[in-house]
Amino acid sequence: GESVGLHLPTLSVQEGDNSIINCAYSNSASDYFIWYKQESGKGPQFIIDIRSNMDKRQGQRVTVLLNKTVKHLSLQIAATQPGDSAVYFCAETGGQAGTALIFGKGTTLSVSS
Amino acid sequence: DAGVIQSPRHEVTEMGQEVTLRCKPISGHDYLFWYRQTMMRGLELLIYFNNNVPIDDSGMPEDRFSAKMPNASFSTLKIQPSEPRDSAVYFCASKSMGGYTFGSGTRLTVV
Repeated sequence: GESVGLHLPTLSVQEGDNSIINCAYSNSASDYFIWYKQESGKGPQFIIDIRSNMDKRQGQRVTVLLNKTVKHLSLQIAATQPGDSAVYFCAETGGQAGTALIFGKGTTLSVSS
Repeated sequence: DAGVIQSPRHEVTEMGQEVTLRCKPISGHDYLFWYRQTMMRGLELLIYFNNNVPIDDSGMPEDRFSAKMPNASFSTLKIQPSEPRDSAVYFCASKSMGGYTFGSGTRLTVV
C-alpha cells in the first residue's frame, strides 16, 4: 500500500552537530511534503514544507531536500540544539491521499550537550 | 488565535463505556481531520471533513467509531463501546490555504 516511511527510528547527536533525518515515500503522485516536530505531550508542529516542483527549500536552521527520482525526502538541521530533541515525522499529501496528510512512523532525535 | 482546541486532554474509561472526544477547529479552516497515534502504528488518519461533510472515513477502524461535524466550529469522535485496544492519543487538525494545524490531543486510556 501507499505509505511514508523513515530510514532510522532514532538519531543521537551532539549539540552543535548537523542532523540529517531521512524519509522514503512510495506514492509518486504526492505533490506536497511536510516535516513535523512532535514534543512529548504535544501535537505535531510544522517545521518546513516543500512542493514537488522544488528540490530544496531552506528555513531557519532547517533545510528540506526532495529527490523525486528515488522518492526520498530529508530534513537537515544545522547546529542542532538540545531543544531540537523530539520525534520528527515526514508527511505527504496529494494523489490518492487527497487533502489528508499521510505520516511516516517518525524518527526520535536526541541531542546531548 | 487559540489554535485547535481538543477536550478532554486525558480520558480514562472502562471497557464497554461510550467515549466522546471533542474538537474545535480554527475559525475559517474548511478542513478537519481526526488522527490516532499509537507506538505501534504511528499517526493514522481516521476521517476528514470538508465544509462539515465527511470526505473519507476509510480509516475508521470499525463500526464502534463514529465522527460528526454538526457545524464549522465543532466536531466529535465517538467510540461505543470502547475497548482497551482503543487506548491511544487522538489528534484533531484543521486546515486552510495556510496549512495544517494540530491540536494538543486527547490521551485515551481504556481499562
